[in-house]
Amino acid sequence: GNSVTQMEGPVTLSEEAFLTINCTYTATGYPSLFWYVQYPGEGLQLLLKATKADDKGSNKGFEATYRKETTSFHLEKGSVQVSDSAVYFCALIRTGGGADGLTFGKGTHLIIQP
Amino acid sequence: DTEVTQTPKHLVMGMTNKKSLKCEQHMGHRAMYWYKQKAKKPPELMFVYSYEKLSINESVPSRFSPECPNSSLLNLHLHALQPEDSALYLCASSQDIGQGARKTQYFGPGTRLLVL
Repeated sequence: GNSVTQMEGPVTLSEEAFLTINCTYTATGYPSLFWYVQYPGEGLQLLLKATKADDKGSNKGFEATYRKETTSFHLEKGSVQVSDSAVYFCALIRTGGGADGLTFGKGTHLIIQP
Repeated sequence: DTEVTQTPKHLVMGMTNKKSLKCEQHMGHRAMYWYKQKAKKPPELMFVYSYEKLSINESVPSRFSPECPNSSLLNLHLHALQPEDSALYLCASSQDIGQGARKTQYFGPGTRLLVL
């Protein structure tokens, strides 16, 4: 079956630090990959996505590259802000047609200190 | 616009009550989803609707009854819930269940349910 593994944290960084949150996956075929962010008390927001190998997703200074050879989709940001404090979920879905739910990692709680 | 709305935002109900959660999207999406999220856990899929027909039911207890009255609306009817059903209920939609980016799911803000 499909699975996603990510560091759970909490990950605590100082403002303006470089961020990496690792995400690796196991899936049959080549899934589409996503990062979602959940701020306290809110729903999930799509942060970025990649639907095929070597695609780079980017949004709000965050980036992640779909690496087929290492089955990874690590999230990076060059300079984090206090407002980036949230829980980040790596997720995948089967690329082929058909009804599916997202397979999520356990989530990484990120805390940015001023 | 990638907005999915959910009402109510919060709901408290007793174990003998009947209530409904509502989800709406106006993006022309033809697939809609219900997920359940417990505290400090990732969301878990409950139901998938495609073109207003139920496509996936992840063995959810019958006290949860989904309904998709049209392509923009998704309801979740609740009856005789248990305290362990307390959670954040998230609705999502996607363009459809076709290939690649068409399955990208956009989530609503959720309904936080407390069962007493």
